[in-house]
Amino acid sequence: AQSVTQLDSQVPVFEEAPVELRCNYSSSVSVYLFWYVQYPNQGLQLLLKYLSGSTLVKGINGFEAEFNKSQTSFHLRKPSVHISDTAEYFCAVRTVSDQGGKLIFGQGTELSVKP
Amino acid sequence: DVKVTQSSRYLVKRTGEKVFLECVQDMDHENMFWYRQDPGLGLRLIYFSYDVKMKEKGDIPEGYSVSREKKERFSLILESASTNQTSMYLCASTAYTNYGYTFGSGTRLTVV
Repeated sequence: AQSVTQLDSQVPVFEEAPVELRCNYSSSVSVYLFWYVQYPNQGLQLLLKYLSGSTLVKGINGFEAEFNKSQTSFHLRKPSVHISDTAEYFCAVRTVSDQGGKLIFGQGTELSVKP
Repeated sequence: DVKVTQSSRYLVKRTGEKVFLECVQDMDHENMFWYRQDPGLGLRLIYFSYDVKMKEKGDIPEGYSVSREKKERFSLILESASTNQTSMYLCASTAYTNYGYTFGSGTRLTVV
């Protein structure tokens, strides 16, 4: 079975500072990896995904993530955050062989950007 | 853009009531999912469906059932609502060829 651990439940950061949100996963088979963002009172929207190829993946709103197979990690980064990045971020995994696309989510990380 | 619509944003129900949460998607997606979201627990899968009239249990199906009579509609049913089912419920859909979900805006259910 797969599992996802987001190592920080809350990350406070000042505006224009860099940020890293950490995600580790556990799986005995090949996986696809995702980051979703949830703004207050909204559903989740896809930030970026890793399917194959380059281990550095770029997403929307200036975010990027790096897939590290040896460390089973998929950390999300942004070099300079804005107030509008305040939201909850979820890391998720699905197995490559699952055609139905069932996602397993982490517990979420609340990013709070302060002026 | 794919749209996933959940019929209610906020719902208040009494303990013991039968509750229906409706979800409709407009892009002919085969796969549909129901999750509940609780602080500190992330999203947990309740039920999913890969085709009409097909359903499979997720990680926390107890106290819930689902119905998928048409491809575009996936309903979550709380047979007898309890206070521990107070939560945010999120519906999502995806096609076989997609690699990520499209989510609805969620239904915040309070059981009193």
